[in-house]
Parts: sequence; structure tokens; C-alpha cells
Amino acid sequence: SQQGEEDPQALSIQEGENATMNCSYKTSINNLQWYRQNSGRGLVHLILIRSNEREKHSGRLRVTLDTSKKSSSLLITASRAADTASYFCATGGSEKLVFGKGTKLTVNP
Amino acid sequence: EAGVAQSPRYKIIEKRQSVAFWCNPISGHATLYWYQQILGQGPKLLIQFQNNGVVDDSQLPKDRFSAERLKGVDSTLKIQPAKLEDSAVYLCASSLRLAGVWTGELFFGEGSRLTVL
Repeated sequence: SQQGEEDPQALSIQEGENATMNCSYKTSINNLQWYRQNSGRGLVHLILIRSNEREKHSGRLRVTLDTSKKSSSLLITASRAADTASYFCATGGSEKLVFGKGTKLTVNP
Repeated sequence: EAGVAQSPRYKIIEKRQSVAFWCNPISGHATLYWYQQILGQGPKLLIQFQNNGVVDDSQLPKDRFSAERLKGVDSTLKIQPAKLEDSAVYLCASSLRLAGVWTGELFFGEGSRLTVL
């Protein structure tokens, strides 16, 4: 069964706008990760946030984690058409990851 | 550094036929995973290897799916006989331990897209 659930399922924005995706999970975690998948390609790791961290930044990405609410959010600032992809959260343990169903982001030029 | 290699990229077969997918992980990555991704869904773990031993195959349909990782490097995933519901992308991934600690990040191949008619 899938641990994380992303929201919304689909998001369409204009280039330059910010995109926010949310992930909720059910059980305790050691870390939470976000991956991107371009159409017809494999998944690419974006960022990992540990359970004792509340916020993490990487370039135009900002990830927050609220373990009390069992939720995380991924913010992409100043979006570009190249950010069009599906984004998945994943929770890990025992050296394996369980993925959510993903958010499909479309950035219109 | 070369990434995770998978082949074939695409395969079309009829139901009840068999198919095999091959994966070569990143050099030095001891852990190898096969995920199944049905259209519109997230990847689902089928099997996890640590070197050439199986760590988790709880979601592998063992009546039709089999996987092996001989010599702890390359891996093959086989489906026999295939069903219509096996149409999916089969993703191989690998991960690394540093000083015995899992780094947490999975590196994925481009996937093998299977269509069962």
C-alpha cells in the first residue's frame, strides 16, 4: 500500500508563478523525500528532509515537514515550463521507499 | 558516472506470453529495487535486493513474477505468463551505503514500458 498521498492530483499554473504541492502520510518516518518524473522518464531525486528538520531549501525548491500533522509541502518558486512533470513524495525505512500517487504539475509558458 | 541502465525500453506482448527486463545498477550500489508503475499511479515496490540476496519481495506476485540478481550486480525481472493488468512501466533503481549507512536516495533508470494485449 502507498504511504504518502499528494494533493492536489493535478495543478496548472503560469510560468513565473509559485507551485505548492502537499503530501500527507500515515505512520512515523525517518525521512521524507520528493522526486520528479518527466513524462516517459525515470524518477529523479529532488530533496530529502529528515524527521528532525522542519524546513529545507535547494535552489528554487522549499520543503517543509510537520511531523505532528504527518504532512509535508513542496514549494517551487518562479516556475518554468521545464518544471512540468509529476512530483512524488516518498517515505522511507529499512532502505526502501514507498511512493504516493503524485501531483501532475503543468507550467504554461 | 553512468546511471542505472535498463532494457528494453518498450515491449509489446500478448497475454500469456513471457517477458524479461534487465537492469544494471550504478557501480558500487549494493541495493537494487524493481518498482511497477501503472499509468497515473506512483511506483510500487516489487522486490528489493541487498547484494544478491532478497530483502523484501512481499508485493511480488510470485505465481507469475520472478527476479534474480546473480553475482550481486545485474538483475533480471521476468513475467510468465503475462496478464493484461501487468501493463505498466517497470522501473529499476539502486541505492548506496556510505560507511555502512544508507544514504536514502534512490537512483532510477528510465524504465521498461510493457504493453500486454
